[in-house]
Amino acid sequence: GAVVSQHPSRVICKSGTSVKIECRSLDFQATTMFWYRQFPKKSLMLMATSNEGSKATYEQGVEKDKFLINHASLTLSTLTVTSAHPEDSSFYICSARDKGQGAEAFFGQGTRLTVV
Amino acid sequence: SQQGEEDPQALSIQEGENATMNCSYKTSINNLQWYRQNSGRGLVHLILIRSNEREKHSGRLRVTLDTSKKSSSLLITASRAADTASYFCATSSGGFKTIFGAGTRLFVKA
Repeated sequence: GAVVSQHPSRVICKSGTSVKIECRSLDFQATTMFWYRQFPKKSLMLMATSNEGSKATYEQGVEKDKFLINHASLTLSTLTVTSAHPEDSSFYICSARDKGQGAEAFFGQGTRLTVV
Repeated sequence: SQQGEEDPQALSIQEGENATMNCSYKTSINNLQWYRQNSGRGLVHLILIRSNEREKHSGRLRVTLDTSKKSSSLLITASRAADTASYFCATSSGGFKTIFGAGTRLFVKA
């Protein structure tokens, strides 16, 4: 299957700083990528849909200014957690669809963010 | 969850037994997928079933879909200790968003 690379896999940052997470589709083009957040022992909650060349679409309750999404190319979307707080600590996962193929979404390996 | 519920929330079985997990969803869908997640790791895609399909097999996995009841089931036959993981159903509709169920934590005892 297609490969989605997410970086970094783990990051620890101080409160008040910003952290950028990258999501890359390695062998296909993705006009749409998705960002999820997962709390321990819970399911994945969709945060936003990232559209190449346009603004992201955020799910209800997700702060746009807190979680900045940029999808500058067909193979890269970034999620920036701004002014991080300990409650932002979580597992973040991206996914991407191959625009040339069917419905299957391919997932990155996730980023564990810890804010201290 | 954003889409629906899965039951059971947790399931503990002996190696060799079959494991059945159920998923219900709320809206019309194009397809339904099942994923596996080992603790603290990314997702592994297991199987996709389209809305016009009723049953699908892949190795030891069997998935059914009942669109009239908005439900699906995942059966893992002859379970192994290595099957221990969390299993999620996920649905996709016209907007291509993939929405996840609450998940079932499966523990297979050796």
